[in-house]
Parts: sequence; structure tokens; C-alpha cells
Amino acid sequence: GEDVEQSLFLSVREGDSSVINCTYTDSSSTYLYWYKQEPGAGLQLLTYIFSNMDMKQDQRLTVLLNKKDKHLSLRIADTQTGDSAIYFCAETPPDDKIIFGKGTRLHILP
Amino acid sequence: DAGVIQSPRHEVTEMGQEVTLRCKPISGHNSLFWYRQTMMRGLELLIYFNNNVPIDDSGMPEDRFSAKMPNASFSTLKIQPSEPRDSAVYFCASTEGGIDEQYFGPGTRLTVT
Repeated sequence: GEDVEQSLFLSVREGDSSVINCTYTDSSSTYLYWYKQEPGAGLQLLTYIFSNMDMKQDQRLTVLLNKKDKHLSLRIADTQTGDSAIYFCAETPPDDKIIFGKGTRLHILP
Repeated sequence: DAGVIQSPRHEVTEMGQEVTLRCKPISGHNSLFWYRQTMMRGLELLIYFNNNVPIDDSGMPEDRFSAKMPNASFSTLKIQPSEPRDSAVYFCASTEGGIDEQYFGPGTRLTVT
């Protein structure tokens, strides 16, 4: 497909794990990113993975990359209320532009 | 460092008026990007500059939109005349170069009535 695809909404109970999925477009993309956008703020880089890796872990965050399926996921362990935000998947194809998905709005249930 | 600075944070204007959005990138960053965010289309890249030179403006929706970067510390995005469908949040971002981590400003929420 032409677009970076993400589901628009995800609801998770506080303390559970959140898994946000993304399908990107270009198997030649070198970097894949997860950005977080809190209400009323700009996007902030959360983590990234280089295309020759299949997993990256950073504290509560785990990124999994399946290059064959062009699938990227972000797992947030022990989800907290402060994790409530919109999460954007992004890729960088060889033309050096960055392409963003439409974002997944993560809602935390008490 | 204050980060990327955008002004105004909110702009409400009437259809047909000229709107100018401003951005100050992080000092030392040599690439600057303008994005538009709407619920329908998500985040769209409008234009980006490298060393003050426009590199790709293929995302600029039409001739009503123009962007300038007269020096390394300032950029403007102008809409003239504005239309209700231009209502969106406009973000500016800067990087040290190329595809490095982009630092986003807080955005300007534009409402055209």
C-alpha cells in the first residue's frame, strides 16, 4: 500500500501491556520510528529501530520489526496514565523523506 | 535550549484573510520542516528546507501556500487567501540534518471561519 497504516484507537487497562501495530510501505526504509504526541504538544521521538535489527528494548518499551511483512510494533509494559497519547509510526524510505502514519490514540482505562 | 518555537499558538481568522505562521528552529539545526495535521489526513509534510534552501515543496497544497526561510533561525508559512479547509494544526520541526531525529514545535492551531 501507499500509506503507513495504524489502527486509530486502542484502549488498555492501567498496568496491562499496550501493543501498537504499524504496517509500513517501503522495505528499503532504513530507520523506523515511534513518536509520541501528548495533548496540545508536538511530536516527540520515543524510540527508533534500524532496519537490520528485529528487536529493541528500552525500559518499558519494546519495538519489534518484521521486515518480511513490513510490520512494526511498539509494546509498552505496565501501562500508566501518563502513557495516554497519540503514537505515530514513521519510516524513512531511501528518498530521505519521513512518512508518518495517522497515529494510534492510546486510552488508559482505570 | 528552548526547543523549536512557533508563533502564534492559536490563530482564528476569517476566510480570505492572510495568515502567517512563524517558526524558530533549534540553534545549529540546518533542516526545517513544515507539517499540517488534521484528523482526516493525519500528518502531512508540506515543505522542507536544508541550509535555508527549499528542497521539496511537493506537499504544499496549492499556490495559496508559500514558505520562506530567510536565515537559519527563522521560517514563515503564509496562506493567502485562507479558506476554512485550511483549518488544522501546523507544526514546524528541525533536525541537525537529513533524516536525523526531528524535534517538533508545539504547533499553531489555525481556525479559518
